[in-house]
Amino acid sequence: GENVEQHPSTLSVQEGDSAVIKCTYSDSASNYFPWYKQELGKRPQLIIDIRSNVGEKKDQRIAVTLNKTAKHFSLHITETQPEDSAVYFCAPDSGGGADGLTFGKGTHLIIQP
Amino acid sequence: GAVVSQHPSRVICKSGTSVKIECRSLDFQATTMFWYRQFPKQSLMLMATSNEGSKATYEQGVEKDKFLINHASLTLSTLTVTSAHPEDSSFYICSASQGVRGQPQHFGDGTRLSIL
Repeated sequence: GENVEQHPSTLSVQEGDSAVIKCTYSDSASNYFPWYKQELGKRPQLIIDIRSNVGEKKDQRIAVTLNKTAKHFSLHITETQPEDSAVYFCAPDSGGGADGLTFGKGTHLIIQP
Repeated sequence: GAVVSQHPSRVICKSGTSVKIECRSLDFQATTMFWYRQFPKQSLMLMATSNEGSKATYEQGVEKDKFLINHASLTLSTLTVTSAHPEDSSFYICSASQGVRGQPQHFGDGTRLSIL
C-alpha cells in the first residue's frame, strides 16, 4: 500500500506570508496528486490537484509542484489570509479511481493576524 | 456537478443502537463508493470500498460484521453501524468515484456519530 508522509504537522504564519506543505509518497505508480482543505466538522474540499505529466500548476494564490523522481509534491499558498486557516491533507492516488485514498496525517495551518 | 449527498449529518443515540448512514451520488453514476472514518484531530482513514452489486472490501482492522455496507445501485451506498458503542463515535465520510483515472473522488458532507 501507499505510505504517505506530510510535513509539517502544524504551520503558523503571519497573514500575508507564504506557506508550504510537503507530501512524500512511496508508490511510484501514483499518478494523481490532490490537496484537500478541511475546516472543522466539514468534509474535505479539493483545492488543487496535479497529474503526473505536469510539474507545476497554479490557481491564483495556490500552487502545487510535483517531483515524481523524488516522490514528493508540495502545496504553496501565497499572500495568506485568515480564511486559509484549516487542516490540509494530501492524498496521492494510484488507483485510477478504483481504490480508496491514503491521506497524509494533515497539516494544521494557522494564519496569525 | 458531481454532488454527493450524505444523511444524516448528525446522530446521537444510546449504546447498542444500530445506525444507518446513506450516501447518494445525485448527478452521476458512481462506479465505486468509499467509506472513511475520522477521529478528532486525526486524518481520514479508509474503512471499506464498495462496488455496486458486489460485496464490500474492508480494510485491515475494520470488522465487516460491525460495519455493514450495502451498495444497491450506482447512486446509493449505505453504511450500518451495528450495535454501536461509545468507541464507534466518530465522523464518517463517504466518497464516490466515477472510476476515471486521474479524476477526484467526490465527498459527502459527513455524519457526526455520537454514542452515549
